[in-house]
Amino acid sequence: SQQGEEDPQALSIQEGENATMNCSYKTSINNLQWYRQNSGRGLVHLILIRSNEREKHSGRLRVTLDTSKKSSSLLITASRAADTASYFCATVQTGANNLFFGTGTRLTVIP
Amino acid sequence: DAGITQSPRYKITETGRQVTLMCHQTWSHSYMFWYRQDLGHGLRLIYYSAAADITDKGEVPDGYVVSRSKTENFPLTLESATRSQTSVYFCASSEVGTVGEQYFGPGTRLTVT
Repeated sequence: SQQGEEDPQALSIQEGENATMNCSYKTSINNLQWYRQNSGRGLVHLILIRSNEREKHSGRLRVTLDTSKKSSSLLITASRAADTASYFCATVQTGANNLFFGTGTRLTVIP
Repeated sequence: DAGITQSPRYKITETGRQVTLMCHQTWSHSYMFWYRQDLGHGLRLIYYSAAADITDKGEVPDGYVVSRSKTENFPLTLESATRSQTSVYFCASSEVGTVGEQYFGPGTRLTVT
């Protein structure tokens, strides 16, 4: 399976702290995407990083991609209680039409 | 309302019954997808469609049938439901397929007894 794996599976931090989640994958990719899922809801797209990019920013989000290590990280700075959710990475294998999702990191931000 | 909707939101059915989950999007996106979400597996792609009348299998297509006669609708049918198909099903759409973001519906929680 090309499924990505997130690390850690669960993360609990205080409001205002930074949260870092990691994603590892197995095959060469076209792009890697991060999604957020609030409890009982559908997924919401956060950011997409292409294989030729190393870092992207969007508001309080920073994503890095290291294709040599087949890994990516998502950093959320100055976390808020509203950031409490599950975060998933999804990879698009080179030449494929599928998104392969990891099993997610459950982030809890304590007010 | 604009967006992507799924119906029903909750469904309980018996083993062996046929069940159809509906998905409707108002953006005229070319691509539509069906995923299932199970604990320990994340989301897995069942089927996808690149345009009306064009569908293709994903990672876990067995036991499912799809059709896409209109761009805005992408129904998923379980021909003979099994307990292993108990899951949360998400529909998604995209203007550009996997090279861009996908927009997800709210999900359908299906229980097969």
